Amino acid sequence: GAVVSQHPSWVICKSGTSVKIECRSLDFQATTMFWYRQFPKQSLMLMATSNEGSKATYEQGVEKDKFLINHASLTLSTLTVTSAHPEDSSFYICSARDRQGTFREQYFGPGTRLTVT
Amino acid sequence: DQQVKQNSPSLSVQEGRISILNCDYTNSMFDYFLWYKKYPAEGPTFLISISSIKDKNEDGRFTVFLNKSAKHLSLHIVPSQPGDSAVYFCAASARLASSGNQFYFGTGTSLTVIP
Repeated sequence: GAVVSQHPSWVICKSGTSVKIECRSLDFQATTMFWYRQFPKQSLMLMATSNEGSKATYEQGVEKDKFLINHASLTLSTLTVTSAHPEDSSFYICSARDRQGTFREQYFGPGTRLTVT
Repeated sequence: DQQVKQNSPSLSVQEGRISILNCDYTNSMFDYFLWYKKYPAEGPTFLISISSIKDKNEDGRFTVFLNKSAKHLSLHIVPSQPGDSAVYFCAASARLASSGNQFYFGTGTSLTVIP
């Protein structure tokens, strides 16, 4: 099956620093990748949609200057949390759509736990 | 605005019995529904889906029922096994909506199957 990896799986950083999270599709090409955030006991909330070679589309209420998304290749998208603050602490999950698949098929990464102290 | 709701945060079932997980939605534009299973520290994995043109889809021990008039769907697991213990997320999408193929997730139901 399609595999999506995320790195790192967890990270602790100090307030004010930036953190980069990588999302890779390991055995397929993904023209579209999605970034989600999940707070405890809440649902997965879509933050942005990332298309290879173009600017990401951010959901309402998500600060594009704070959450920088780059989708430089068909197998890699990155999310950079800039000037992180404790309220950014969350579980970040990416998903990728197989270029060859239907639009319904999204494969999720294992997630990254970010803790900002 | 939570468009997909799972009102039961947790459910416990005896091994061998039926597990029924429920999901309600508000957007009548949703035309495709999915169930995902998630273990701790892992990403969600696809379990089963159903299109709005159907009212039932079955895959082994898993069956999803869709009641469009009630905007309600449910996942039945029969018989339940201890390995089914996980968090189950309901998701919906609306291909023709302006949001395109965005998935909207419920808050999840934590299922515990007791041996």
